[in-house]
Amino acid sequence: QSALTQPASVSGSPGQSITISCTGTSSDVGGYNYVSWYQQPPGKAPKLMIYDVSDRPSGVSNRFSGSKSGNTASLTISGLQAEDEANYYCSSYTSTYTVVFGGGTKLTVL
Amino acid sequence: QVQLVESGGGLVKPGGSLRLSCAASGFTFSDYYMSWIRQAPGKGLEWVSYISSSDSTVYYADSVKGRFAISRDNAKNSLYLQMNSLRAEDTAMYYCATWTTHLGYWGQGSLVTVSS
Repeated sequence: QSALTQPASVSGSPGQSITISCTGTSSDVGGYNYVSWYQQPPGKAPKLMIYDVSDRPSGVSNRFSGSKSGNTASLTISGLQAEDEANYYCSSYTSTYTVVFGGGTKLTVL
Repeated sequence: QVQLVESGGGLVKPGGSLRLSCAASGFTFSDYYMSWIRQAPGKGLEWVSYISSSDSTVYYADSVKGRFAISRDNAKNSLYLQMNSLRAEDTAMYYCATWTTHLGYWGQGSLVTVSS
């Protein structure tokens, strides 16, 4: 159950786009379309932003989008806003019927 | 609206036990798989366990296997996590969440501190 690999931090200016990568293996990210992304502001509970690689829950801004290529999934946030500043985590279902998270990425809006 | 409220956290000595509860409302609890996730202070999220809607299927992270037990009572709309043989490294905020192919709804968490 090794954690998925995410960059520790990313940053961008308001209005710009940023992308956070999430790299796993063929036993998790690459093997299933069950990648999800969570936003966690400091001191708060996580919130689902993307599920099943690219689907958005009701109420989540269409500025958030997800994709996957091979063993790497990506979260893109376009039109960056100050309120997007938070920690972001990817997650995947695995071949051993468990769930694995990435280490998290801190997004700073400059 | 969907609400998940965790309770039962607190300070416990190494080797001790604790039982967390998660009260669910606003959705048909018996239709959903449920999961526990934890987050050590200043660290990332770690999946702990999930249980099927009918209680027949459970899975655990290797780090808690044999020490923790997940269960549910659909009549009471409640999820539980029995934690035994607690270690300092189990210190974390524990969240319950609905699980399908993703963790859709989350509670606000219950803090467990393992310290002598």
